[in-house]
Amino acid sequence: KAGVTQTPRYLIKTRGQQVTLSCSPISGHRSVSWYQQTPGQGLQFLFEYFSETQRNKGNFPGRFSGRQFSNSRSEMNVSTLELGDSALYLCASSLDRGQDEQYFGPGTRLTVT
Amino acid sequence: GQNIDQPTEMTATEGAIVQINCTYQTSGFNGLFWYQQHAGEAPTFLSYNVLDGLEEKGRFSSFLSRSKGYSYLLLKELQMKDSASYLCACPLPGGYNKLIFGAGTRLAVHP
Repeated sequence: KAGVTQTPRYLIKTRGQQVTLSCSPISGHRSVSWYQQTPGQGLQFLFEYFSETQRNKGNFPGRFSGRQFSNSRSEMNVSTLELGDSALYLCASSLDRGQDEQYFGPGTRLTVT
Repeated sequence: GQNIDQPTEMTATEGAIVQINCTYQTSGFNGLFWYQQHAGEAPTFLSYNVLDGLEEKGRFSSFLSRSKGYSYLLLKELQMKDSASYLCACPLPGGYNKLIFGAGTRLAVHP
């Protein structure tokens, strides 16, 4: 079974630009969560989507948004990029049966210059 | 508030046993996950504990004490490939797919 895929794997943007990252979950998984990983803050929860609805949201500014499509694929968008947005963005999918583990994708490494 | 603490770094010798501790403070408790993350790679699931006690899975075991807000991951017969970061995480109120992670413990295994 194919794992979680994320595109692109690497991205370089300049301050003020916007970026869209994509995540395709494992087939049959309807929950997709997004996390930001930085050396200083570690892994931080951004938001979770389930059945095309945002079900949970972390403590990030409104510049961070996302959506989920009917095939469970998800995108996240960051507008007006700041240097501090440089990070590894990971998405994770799960079957969502309670304590099911999340399966993480390889991440998108975003560098903001 | 929500908080998870782990040691930052640990070193161990190939073939030895190492215990990585994790303490947590969360409002509500829905279990505790351990993930392994090799440098430059995605985290991969190791274990999930929701009841007190030890769960063994091959060379890896995980222990939970809910009354003490404490868990540990025990790695036996260490191999060089076990050099990685080990992340402790708890679901936040609102759902299992909304995890708060500890900063991770970077384990270096030496020959």
